[in-house]
Amino acid sequence: RKEVEQDPGPFNVPEGATVAFNCTYSNSASQSFFWYRQDCRKEPKLLMSVYSSGNEDGRFTAQLNRASQYISLLIRDSKLSDSATYLCVVNPGGNNRLAFGKGNQVVVIP
Amino acid sequence: GAGVSQSPSNKVTEKGKDVELRCDPISGHTALYWYRQSLGQGLEFLIYFQGNSAPDKSGLPSDRFSAERTGGSVSTLTIQRTQQEDSAVYLCASSLVPDYSYEQYFGPGTRLTVT
Repeated sequence: RKEVEQDPGPFNVPEGATVAFNCTYSNSASQSFFWYRQDCRKEPKLLMSVYSSGNEDGRFTAQLNRASQYISLLIRDSKLSDSATYLCVVNPGGNNRLAFGKGNQVVVIP
Repeated sequence: GAGVSQSPSNKVTEKGKDVELRCDPISGHTALYWYRQSLGQGLEFLIYFQGNSAPDKSGLPSDRFSAERTGGSVSTLTIQRTQQEDSAVYLCASSLVPDYSYEQYFGPGTRLTVT
């Protein structure tokens, strides 16, 4: 089983709508969780960390469900500029490396 | 300030040749990571340098791959006897401290094509 699994999509979202997607992780000992954003042919950049209590940054909300071993990202009032691939990133535990999912591709449609 | 830089941005090489990819991390960052990203795939961890400690080489796919980090700064990833399956984007990242909870800052990558 892969360390991090994501449904690649694409998720076609009308401008102004809300989109949400999950990622699952296999190691229950995982310590840290992040969402990175990757634009086409660009490098990944940190979007937000995911805390146990959940966190919100503007139109973006991240949640962690340790019992079911998944994290989620919700984007409200989607903008055209939100079109990107959102990478779920997990520290599997026991070392300092990160495991990346394949990403959820979001396409915001005018 | 300056971000992570990588060179070359693109590299086309013939099968069987050796290549060297360079990474300049953000000044003062003690941790440096190499990943590769094949088309449609997630980032695959290759190697991790943490200050003066021995590197974590657990992600290197074969003994054709090696990396070094000189003086705790610049890093070079070397691929010997390149194969077509080595074609990918090689990404370098650095973080302020060698702790997984810290943000990793990525360079723009080197796109390697093996013909």
